[in-house]
Amino acid sequence: NAGVTQTPKFRVLKTGQSMTLLCAQDMNHEYMYWYRQDPGMGLRLIHYSVGEGTTAKGEVPDGYNVSRLKKQNFLLGLESAAPSQTSVYFCASSRQITGELFFGEGSRLTVL
Amino acid sequence: DAKTTQPPSMDCAEGRAANLPCNHSTISGNEYVYWYRQIHSQGPQYIIHGLKNNETNEMASLIITEDRKSSTLILPHATLRDTAVYYCIVRGLNAGNMLTFGGGTRLMVKP
Repeated sequence: NAGVTQTPKFRVLKTGQSMTLLCAQDMNHEYMYWYRQDPGMGLRLIHYSVGEGTTAKGEVPDGYNVSRLKKQNFLLGLESAAPSQTSVYFCASSRQITGELFFGEGSRLTVL
Repeated sequence: DAKTTQPPSMDCAEGRAANLPCNHSTISGNEYVYWYRQIHSQGPQYIIHGLKNNETNEMASLIITEDRKSSTLILPHATLRDTAVYYCIVRGLNAGNMLTFGGGTRLMVKP
């Protein structure tokens, strides 16, 4: 089992460029999440999904879009990257709403 | 979700018990207490969670006070590999009550 896999692990963008981060989980989990972590800070929830075809906004959703077309995948998109979006992005999944979250290893994004 | 307060940093000697406190005085009846840790810049790792009763697993023990306004995570025999940031989180059962990570406690285990 790979658990939660994030692609890519590192990316450098120029302001205004777009990109998509892919999160894949092989545990058949219903719930998936995208967090961002800025240097020296805790994690902040961007968007989450409670099942295939559903998404919802978290604490800091502006500037991001998400899609959950397949149960195992949760995509995070940046349509027009800004330097303020320079951060480490973590994807997570869980089986139940009260269950433990399994995190990926993170994707480090730098926007110049 | 209730807010939590943790000390920003703590030290512990290797082999000794590490006791990490968390205050959650505004916790409501259906909210659980979760603990996660983040080693260096890796993804956070689940440790333990509980509602009212004390809990123990292979990693740690969770002691929740009777009024549920505070809790303590206990690592019984801390090792150097336990050096990490530990997050105490309170959350309810609704789909909108997602885990919110605050600043956490940076635990440094020293030889």
